[in-house]
Amino acid sequence: GAVVSQHPSRVICKSGTSVKIECRSLDFQATTMFWYRQFPKQSLMLMATSNEGSKATYEQGVEKDKFLINHASLTLSTLTVTSAHPEDSSFYICSATSMGSSYNEQFFGPGTRLTVL
Amino acid sequence: GENVEQHPSTLSVQEGDSAVIKCTYSDSASNYFPWYKQELGKGPQLIIDIRSNVGEKKDQRIAVTLNKTAKHFSLHITETQPEDSAVYFCAATIYNQGGKLIFGQGTELSVKP
Repeated sequence: GAVVSQHPSRVICKSGTSVKIECRSLDFQATTMFWYRQFPKQSLMLMATSNEGSKATYEQGVEKDKFLINHASLTLSTLTVTSAHPEDSSFYICSATSMGSSYNEQFFGPGTRLTVL
Repeated sequence: GENVEQHPSTLSVQEGDSAVIKCTYSDSASNYFPWYKQELGKGPQLIIDIRSNVGEKKDQRIAVTLNKTAKHFSLHITETQPEDSAVYFCAATIYNQGGKLIFGQGTELSVKP
């Protein structure tokens, strides 16, 4: 149980284009989903927290107009990187917490490797 | 806000030896401490967690200890195997405050056969 999937696993795009990454909780309903980015040999950096049906809460320094987050259902959240540039190349990881969890256990997706040319 | 420090950043052990990774946290209100294993190119996987109402938890070769007074928690892996090689992250969070995890910097564990 508690499986989180991400799609796509890898994406290569040209500078200036937009890329959408999907995060799905497969066997549970997620009250909250989180989006992280991770640079090589570094820790996970939280970008934003999203709750179903409401606007995402972005961490300081993360541009909300560049990283659009939609959490339309209890099993799906999407991250759209708009007008991507090479510096946006990174490993993007989502996580989700279960409605039944009392301690906010987070289950992570497998990650999406974004390369912007 | 919460800050989590993790040491060491790299750890190399011989197969069969034990490995210990230590973390400290700053906010005494933190009450949930998970540990994640991340293999290259993959997302983090929860391997064990501990809650503030216990001091130790064990799952086969993996154990975690928590010292609330000193605000320390540690991961212990016994009888290490090459497949234990990965990056390990500790984290801390406060229940009822959005579930936001604060991660340590990570430890790259290498188990040499």
